[in-house]
Amino acid sequence: DTEVTQTPKHLVMGMTNKKSLKCEQHMGHRAMYWYKQKAKKPPELMFVYSYEKLSINESVPSRFSPECPNSSLLNLHLHALQPEDSALYLCASSPQGGTAYNEQFFGPGTRLTVL
Amino acid sequence: AQRVTQPEKLLSVFKGAPVELKCNYSYSGSPELFWYVQYSRQRLQLLLRHISRESIKGFTADLNKGETSFHLKKPFAQEEDSAMYYCALSLNNTDKLIFGTGTRLQVFP
Repeated sequence: DTEVTQTPKHLVMGMTNKKSLKCEQHMGHRAMYWYKQKAKKPPELMFVYSYEKLSINESVPSRFSPECPNSSLLNLHLHALQPEDSALYLCASSPQGGTAYNEQFFGPGTRLTVL
Repeated sequence: AQRVTQPEKLLSVFKGAPVELKCNYSYSGSPELFWYVQYSRQRLQLLLRHISRESIKGFTADLNKGETSFHLKKPFAQEEDSAMYYCALSLNNTDKLIFGTGTRLQVFP
């Protein structure tokens, strides 16, 4: 399997809901990323896990909580989101962590709508 | 501060015309630069990286440290090149990738 998969494809949630986004890769990559992409904007980095440890948190509000249960899986737990959090959430992976040289492989994204 | 600038939101050309998508960066360290592309209804994917010095799908990009630029060029555009192109800067010894605002390339028949 040479792709990054993300579930669900679409998610609609209310501001009081708790939901989770899931990302999976089986390429043996050791770095995994969450990005947020608003319409007609570039991806913005949220979190990076490198060798299953959180290495970067770009000052993301605590209503977003990442989790890396193992080297193949990355979750993003959502709680008490705001309508402005509606966006496409992209997951990516790369072979190694802590280096600038690696290609990042992106998933198709989860389109999140917060009502 | 680190920054990537793509001055053109939209670039429209006819098939067979040369294409140049501009990218300028601001970074005090040694830059690692990439071009990522997103075709319609497809996921974001790497097109090329400066360290590889390769040509992919006829596209090339040269890092000019003096002008802090990494422009993407193709001598003869094809309709299938129509896509969103993002220039990206990777910071040394980190996992952080900073994207430019993107340029939409439209190639007309």
